[in-house]
Amino acid sequence: DAGVIQSPRHEVTEMGQEVTLRCKPISGHDYLFWYRQTMMRGLELLIYFNNNVPIDDSGMPEDRFSAKMPNASFSTLKIQPSEPRDSAVYFCASSLEGEYEQYFGPGTRLTVT
Amino acid sequence: SQQGEEDPQALSIQEGENATMNCSYKTSINNLQWYRQNSGRGLVHLILIRSNEREKHSGRLRVTLDTSKKSSSLLITASRAADTASYFCATEVYRDDKIIFGKGTRLHILP
Repeated sequence: DAGVIQSPRHEVTEMGQEVTLRCKPISGHDYLFWYRQTMMRGLELLIYFNNNVPIDDSGMPEDRFSAKMPNASFSTLKIQPSEPRDSAVYFCASSLEGEYEQYFGPGTRLTVT
Repeated sequence: SQQGEEDPQALSIQEGENATMNCSYKTSINNLQWYRQNSGRGLVHLILIRSNEREKHSGRLRVTLDTSKKSSSLLITASRAADTASYFCATEVYRDDKIIFGKGTRLHILP
């Protein structure tokens, strides 16, 4: 398996623009997680899905952030409008039901200027 | 909220020495995991220890768990240059599907 795939790997955008990050989980995995990593705050869980259904979005910082999982093989995290404080590395991870190990993608480094 | 806190925040040791990192947490857990992150990469799962286990080994890794003290340690024996990375503990809180990561220990192995 190719592992968790994220795109793009790097994104530079101007404040106010819409940003869409994409994730393809490992085939057959039931859970999908979106994390944000910064030096100041460490690794934060934003939202997670089970069988394509959002279970806990309490980590989503504000209404500017939204996430969808239209099918088992694809998820998006959207920021609209983006702000400089959204600059971070965003990770997607997936796991199997009953298994605790999470498999992480390579991350998307977002820079908002 | 931060559940796990690693200690120390950074550690530099000579190649061949053993490296020990500690993790403390606040609430009851189902299990505790350790992950490694190389610079610019995603996290990689290393080892999981369940709440009813006290010690676990995997290759050069040894993990201990003390639920009475709400703490865990990760020992890497005979360190190598390739072990240079950040190490995170992650706790699965009792009756929850998600895991919460600490801020990590940055380990640097000196040649």
